[in-house]
This record gives sequence, structure tokens and C-alpha cells, in this order.
Amino acid sequence: QVQLVEAGGGLVKPGGSLRLSCAASGFTFKDYYMSWIRQAPGKGLEWVSFISHRSSTIYYADSVKGRFTISRDNAKNSVYLQMNSLRADDTAVYYCAKEMRGGSYDLGSFDSWGQGTLVTVSS
Amino acid sequence: EIVLTQSPATLSLSPGERATLSCRASQNVFNYLAWYQQIPGQAPRLLIYDASNRATGIPARFSGSGSGTDFTLTISSLEPEDFAVYYCQQRSTWPPLTFGGGTKVEIK
Repeated sequence: QVQLVEAGGGLVKPGGSLRLSCAASGFTFKDYYMSWIRQAPGKGLEWVSFISHRSSTIYYADSVKGRFTISRDNAKNSVYLQMNSLRADDTAVYYCAKEMRGGSYDLGSFDSWGQGTLVTVSS
Repeated sequence: EIVLTQSPATLSLSPGERATLSCRASQNVFNYLAWYQQIPGQAPRLLIYDASNRATGIPARFSGSGSGTDFTLTISSLEPEDFAVYYCQQRSTWPPLTFGGGTKVEIK
């Protein structure tokens, strides 16, 4: 079965950096586009970033553009989120999510999510 | 950016009752709308994609309808495990993908 396991969250000071990872199993990772989605404490869901299966297409939410970098390693079945210049409003649980469909069509529906990793930005 | 507005914010119902949740888009999203369920402390789960298609393993009591700007998620008869928060999400025009603010279905 599909499994997504995030890691790398923790407490970091404003202006600091963290690198999140998401290890995937149970499906042909290299065929699927992936996204990161976050949820601030007690709040709703916010899409953060997207990466195509070969890393040729990458998108970011305006709120993280220029500070976060998404990447993937298909040999390791993993997707990453490098977060720099962190701010208090980046505090959230970060989920990685798998596209429902493989390939490059009909993107934007997520049928599998990890359990999330909590990032807390505070001095 | 497409804004999704969900109503009501909270729905208080008893087990066995019918739940009707609404999601309104700020512009036409055709049928490119999904619904997710989130139980506290858990990750979201895809219930409905493309407005009316149940995802794998989702019980038949969940149904979605609508197109354009107005969408509805209906739970025909609430089970105890259905008390949760529900989010709609559009994939018509992105980036950014956007989610609604959520509707909490609570036990009356």
C-alpha cells in the first residue's frame, strides 16, 4: 500500500532553515507528481509547492516563493522541501501528498498524504 | 487566485441524519473540485474528486454534486466516524491550488 513518511520538522528560530523529507513507498514514485501542503495550528489547508515527476516543472505558493525550494530524488523515492528565512507564520504541520493520477494530465487531486511533520518557528 | 467559500462553518447533527455541505467558488472551476475529510490529528483523506466521483474505498453514503461555482457534499446518513472537518479544493486554475476554509460536522 502507498506510504508517505515525512521527517525533518522541529523548532527553529525566525530566519532559520529546515529541510523536510518525504519517503515514498508502495507505488512507482518516478511516475507521480508530488506536492507539499501545510496546515497552521487550528487552521485550514494551504498548498505550498509542486514538483513534476522529472523535476522539470515546479510551482510555489506566493507566500513561500524565494524562500522554499522543492526537489526530489527518484532513485531514493523521496521528495524534499528546503525552507529558508523561516517566519512565525510558517509554523504548521507540513504534509507531502501524492497526485491521484500518474503522468502529466489531470493534476491537482491528492489521494495519499503522509502523517505530517510539525515545523515551529519561534524565538 | 480562486477563492472557495464553504458553508456553514459548523454543522451540528445527530448520527443517522443527513449532512449537506456547500462550497462556492469565486469563478468557474467546471467540475475540477475535490472534497477531503480530516479527522483531528490525522491527515486529510480524499473523498470525492472531479465534483462527483468517489475515491477508492469511500462509502456510498458520501456523494458530491455541482459544477461551475456551486458544489455540494452530501452524507446521506451520518456514522459516528463521519464527525470531522471537510474541505473542498479546486484544481481548475493553478497555481495556486486552493482549499476552502472547511466545514466542521459535529455531534449535536
